Amino acid sequence: AQSVAQPEDQVNVAEGNPLTVKCTYSVSGNPYLFWYVQYPNRGLQFLLKYITGDNLVKGSYGFEAEFNKSQTSFHLKKPSALVSDSALYFCAVRPSRGSSNTGKLIFGQGTTLQVKP
Amino acid sequence: ETGVTQSPTHLIKTRGQQVTLRCSSQSGHNTVSWYQQALGQGPQFIFQYYREEENGRGNFPPRFSGLQFPNYSSELNVNALELDDSALYLCASSFLVNTEAFFGQGTRLTVV
Repeated sequence: AQSVAQPEDQVNVAEGNPLTVKCTYSVSGNPYLFWYVQYPNRGLQFLLKYITGDNLVKGSYGFEAEFNKSQTSFHLKKPSALVSDSALYFCAVRPSRGSSNTGKLIFGQGTTLQVKP
Repeated sequence: ETGVTQSPTHLIKTRGQQVTLRCSSQSGHNTVSWYQQALGQGPQFIFQYYREEENGRGNFPPRFSGLQFPNYSSELNVNALELDDSALYLCASSFLVNTEAFFGQGTRLTVV
């Protein structure tokens, strides 16, 4: 079955420290990978995507993510966290072409990031 | 802010009633997807519309139905509401089926 796992319900970091939010996936073929952020009572905001090419992708607000095909992971990173980064982060995968429902996104359960001053 | 707008923002319905949620896609986008996000969960795919045709459906019963109009706006209809239908309903639009999706702010549906 196709799935996305975010093994940590919550990640706590101090402001200025690097952060990592973990994501692994189980999808056949070469999926497209995404990170979204959700602030309270809001929709999801697109952060970044991996389609093909360089394994390190850069996105909005200084975030980046590293694609690792052998480990089927796509961890979100930021070199220096800000208090304003505190939010709920979702990893998502879109099955590759040739699968049914190629348009759908499969989301993980989400990871709450708390950045303390 | 994305150009995707949803209405209403909040809604309270009684079990057994019917509800219609609306979504205006971002300019230039011809694909709309709907997701259900229960409290504390990730969004779950309901269905997608591309150029007014359903282009995929998740594991939701037939009482969840949709439409896409010629201007690419969309509606989600839910009949015979159940308490478990209480959730945040998210609409997302994209230029094509496989490009990144941009989400609206959602409609919070409460079924009592």
